[in-house]
Amino acid sequence: AQSVTQLGSHVSVSEGALVLLRCNYSSSVPPYLFWYVQYPNQGLQLLLKYTTGATLVKGINGFEAEFKKSETSFHLTKPSAHMSDAAEYFCAVSDRGTGTASKLTFGTGTRLQVTL
Amino acid sequence: EPEVTQTPSHQVTQMGQEVILRCVPISNHLYFYWYRQILGQKVEFLVSFYNNEISEKSEIFDDQFSVERPDGSNFTLKIRSTKLEDSAMYFCASSEGQGYSNQPQHFGDGTRLSIL
Repeated sequence: AQSVTQLGSHVSVSEGALVLLRCNYSSSVPPYLFWYVQYPNQGLQLLLKYTTGATLVKGINGFEAEFKKSETSFHLTKPSAHMSDAAEYFCAVSDRGTGTASKLTFGTGTRLQVTL
Repeated sequence: EPEVTQTPSHQVTQMGQEVILRCVPISNHLYFYWYRQILGQKVEFLVSFYNNEISEKSEIFDDQFSVERPDGSNFTLKIRSTKLEDSAMYFCASSEGQGYSNQPQHFGDGTRLSIL
């Protein structure tokens, strides 16, 4: 079964500092990888995804993530944090081409706090 | 941009009562999902639905749960006899295609279900 590990349930950074949110997956076959963001009292919004091709993917709001097969990782980064980035971030994976609607398996989430 | 809509945003129900959560997926999407998030925990897959039948369901999705697409637009989750532990945020999602076809899942804002 798929599993996703997000190290650090809470991360605090200063405005303008680098954001690094960690995600590792366990799967014998590299899955599809996603990052979602959840603002208070809202649903899950897709930030970015990796399916095939270039391993560095760029998403919305200046975020990017790099798929590293050797490390089974898909860490999320942003060079300079803004106050508006404060939210909960979820890493998720889904199986490749199972022939059925592919469910997402989520990590436990990382709450990002941005301070002045 | 098209979005998934869920109603109601908050549902309060007495234990043992039936509850129906409603979702309107994005119009050209073919795959539908329900997830739930118990307060403070990660988002968990409940069920996926395609071509008017369940594709996959989790262990959580027992006989008390059912899903239906009663018409061309709505997708509903019914809980027949609610329990206290059913209290959670329930998210509906839809996708245009399966995971291998590179189409991500789009989420609604959720229905917060409170069982008293």
